Amino acid sequence: AQSVAQPEDQVNVAEGNPLTVKCTYSVSGNPYLFWYVQYPNRGLQFLLKYITGDNLVKGSYGFEAEFNKSQTSFHLKKPSALVSDSALYFCAVRDSAGSYNFNKFYFGSGTKLNVKP
Amino acid sequence: DTGVSQDPRHKITKRGQNVTFRCDPISEHNRLYWYRQTLGQGPEFLTYFQNEAQLEKSRLLSDRFSAERPKGSFSTLEIQRTEQGDSAMYLCASSLVRLGLAGSGANVLTFGAGSRLTVL
Repeated sequence: AQSVAQPEDQVNVAEGNPLTVKCTYSVSGNPYLFWYVQYPNRGLQFLLKYITGDNLVKGSYGFEAEFNKSQTSFHLKKPSALVSDSALYFCAVRDSAGSYNFNKFYFGSGTKLNVKP
Repeated sequence: DTGVSQDPRHKITKRGQNVTFRCDPISEHNRLYWYRQTLGQGPEFLTYFQNEAQLEKSRLLSDRFSAERPKGSFSTLEIQRTEQGDSAMYLCASSLVRLGLAGSGANVLTFGAGSRLTVL
């Protein structure tokens, strides 16, 4: 079964420090992986995706994510956090083409990122 | 195009009443998804449309739920005989999928702000 786990409900980091938001996944085929961010009273916004190729993916607002097939992880990272990065972050996965669940995205439960000045 | 619009943003209703939510996707997008999000959880898949065809429904969708996308444009999600357990944020998302194009399956979802349902 396809699933995504975000083991931390909340991550606290000081402004200027590096941040990591963790995500692990389980799919039957090759995964397509995504990160979305949700600000209060706003819809989820796309940050970045991994389909194939380079394991380090760069996205919006200085975020990047590292795909690790052996650990089935796709952790979100940023070298220097900003207070404005404080939001709810969701990892998502979909199965590759040919899978029965090809067209469905599965989301993690979300991680609240708090960046303090 | 201003993105994905959802209406109403918040609906408060009494148990047993029917409610309908509307979603207007990005105009050129051919795929439309409905998700449900409860507090502390990520979005849960409900159903999706490819143009006007509803291709899949989650087992989460009981017979009280129905979704339509006439003419492949806007979509409605109706909940009949609402229950308190239906209280949630209902999210709509759309995307453009170019079938047959390698890699196009990893389409990016554009979400609306959601419609929050409170059943008293």
